[in-house]
This record gives sequence, C-alpha cells and structure tokens, in this order.
Amino acid sequence: DVKVTQSSRYLVKRTGEKVFLECVQDMDHENMFWYRQDPGLGLRLIYFSYDVKMKEKGDIPEGYSVSREKKERFSLILESASTNQTSMYLCASSPPRVGAQQETQYFGPGTRLLVL
Amino acid sequence: DAKTTQPPSMDCAEGRAANLPCNHSTISGNEYVYWYRQIHSQGPQYIIHGLKNNETNEMASLIITEDRKSSTLILPHATLRDTAVYYCIVRPLGNQFYFGTGTSLTVIP
Repeated sequence: DVKVTQSSRYLVKRTGEKVFLECVQDMDHENMFWYRQDPGLGLRLIYFSYDVKMKEKGDIPEGYSVSREKKERFSLILESASTNQTSMYLCASSPPRVGAQQETQYFGPGTRLLVL
Repeated sequence: DAKTTQPPSMDCAEGRAANLPCNHSTISGNEYVYWYRQIHSQGPQYIIHGLKNNETNEMASLIITEDRKSSTLILPHATLRDTAVYYCIVRPLGNQFYFGTGTSLTVIP
C-alpha cells in the first residue's frame, strides 16, 4: 500500500512566521504535489515536482516555495505566513507516467493550518 | 477549470447501490475519467478511473457512456463508511488533477 505522511495534522501559526509543511512517501514515487483545499473552491495545485531538486509552479504558487532534496520528501514553505493562507494542505505522490498509462495520485491525510 | 458537473448532494440507503452521476460533455479523446472520494478531514482516496470501457475493481464500478459525455460511479452495496464527498475528474494525459466541489454522498442507516 502506498503511504503518504504529513508532519502535522493541525498547525497554528502567527502572521509573519515561516512555516514548513513536510510530506514523505514510501513508494519511491518520482512525482510529488502540494495542494490546498478551501470550502467551495475544491483542491488547487500549488507546486509539484517530477524529480529531486526539480519543481514546477502550479496554479497558485504565490506566497509559497518548495524543496525536494530527497526523492521521498517534498516540503512546502510559507516564507511569511498570512491569514489568507489558512487552509487544508494536501500532499500527493504518483509514479511516473509509462507510455499512455495514466498515473494515479495518492494523497496524505492533510495538514489543517490556521494562521492568526 | 471545471470540466465536470456533479449534483452537490445525494442520499443512499445502507445496503443499496449508490449511483453517482457525472457529466463531462466537453471531454476529448485522450482524457480519462477519474473518481476520488474524501471522507471528512482526510485526504482524497483514489477509487477508479477509465478511458472508454467500463471498469470494475474491489471498491466500485465505473460506467462510461458510449459518447463519453457522462459517467456513473456505482458503489454496489453502500455502507455508512461510504459517506464522503465524491469527485469526478476529467484529466488530460499527463496533466494535473482539477478537483471540483464533488457530490456529498450520505449513506442512511
């Protein structure tokens, strides 16, 4: 079974703090993703990575950065947290696409972040 | 980028089949249909996906119409643990997932 774990289930931070959200997967997946989920807006992609030290912006990267120093670990960084970054953050991983076969994304349990 | 339309909510009696519809009238030839579900306060869970043929696995069946403009996810014997939000996603080959707001399914005892 694929296992994607996130460092915290709940987190409370103050405006202006630097926040690190960690994600680890144990299936040797190349691809990793960070989403945020807000009521009425569904999941929105923040950043993704197809390989170590590689990153690509998603739909809403502003205010975030990421780090992928090891294949199994993908970190999301809020350089200076703001109240509009209060959200549920979800990490996912997937194997690489092989030919025309679609790769399925597997999600972690999520981190609910509150910025005061 | 909403490519799918789902009813916002549905109820189903425990033990009965739950049939969750999804319209994707603008789907193109190389786009797959994926279904995920999300139980309250957890991450989304993969259920099933397909391109044009019907698919079945241990969790559910996916029925895709011949013109591929709609599909139905079938949970054959719904249990209380199936209460969740179900997302239908149309995904081009290799591109990211776009989750909409899904269907909130409530299984009633």
